[in-house]
Amino acid sequence: DIQLTQSPSFLSASVGDRVTITCRASQGVSSYLAWYQQKPGKAPNLLIYAASTLQSGVPSRFSGSGSGTEFTLTVSSLQPEDFATYYCQQLNSYPLTFGGGTKVEIK
Amino acid sequence: EVQLVESGGGLVQPGGSLRLSCAASGFSLSTYWMSWVRQAPGKGLEWVANIKQDGSEKYYVDSVKGRFTISRDNAKNSLYLEMNSLRAEDTAVYYCARVGGGWRSFDYWGQGTLVTVSS
Repeated sequence: DIQLTQSPSFLSASVGDRVTITCRASQGVSSYLAWYQQKPGKAPNLLIYAASTLQSGVPSRFSGSGSGTEFTLTVSSLQPEDFATYYCQQLNSYPLTFGGGTKVEIK
Repeated sequence: EVQLVESGGGLVQPGGSLRLSCAASGFSLSTYWMSWVRQAPGKGLEWVANIKQDGSEKYYVDSVKGRFTISRDNAKNSLYLEMNSLRAEDTAVYYCARVGGGWRSFDYWGQGTLVTVSS
């Protein structure tokens, strides 16, 4: 099974900060990597697919990069509505797996 | 507008059974792989099962193999998850999700339905 390790697991930041979350895969997943945002009591929302492609309707302050085993999600200027938990997911092989999540809270 | 609406969750005793449904609208269900994902209270996301467009291929996470069955009825625009021999550790919100084109993401999700396994 491919393990996805997200870091940090918790992040405290201020509005306007640049934030970077890392997702490391235990084996290569090519570019079959997606990022989701989840707010309390809500379903996850797709932000980035194919490692670096912005989903339609997602603000351009979100960006993704990487391939193989190391990936990053960057928010260029954190907005109040961005405080949430973020998950990476690999779709390269079964079982499909998610990272443990990164909770972004207001400093 | 793409919509996925789950139903069928509830309280069930250990060892019991439950059938979840997911009603799809706004797109042709028959052209997409579909998935179930769950989230235990206060925990992260866990993929549960996938099913191919015509139902000919199904995949499961090890912890539910032999107990859960994913199925679909494209004519009724519906996805299902039959859950048997339920355990306390199956307690979670269950989401249905559409696998996006190119197998690159889960691009649409339902609102989720809560399954609680407890005596």
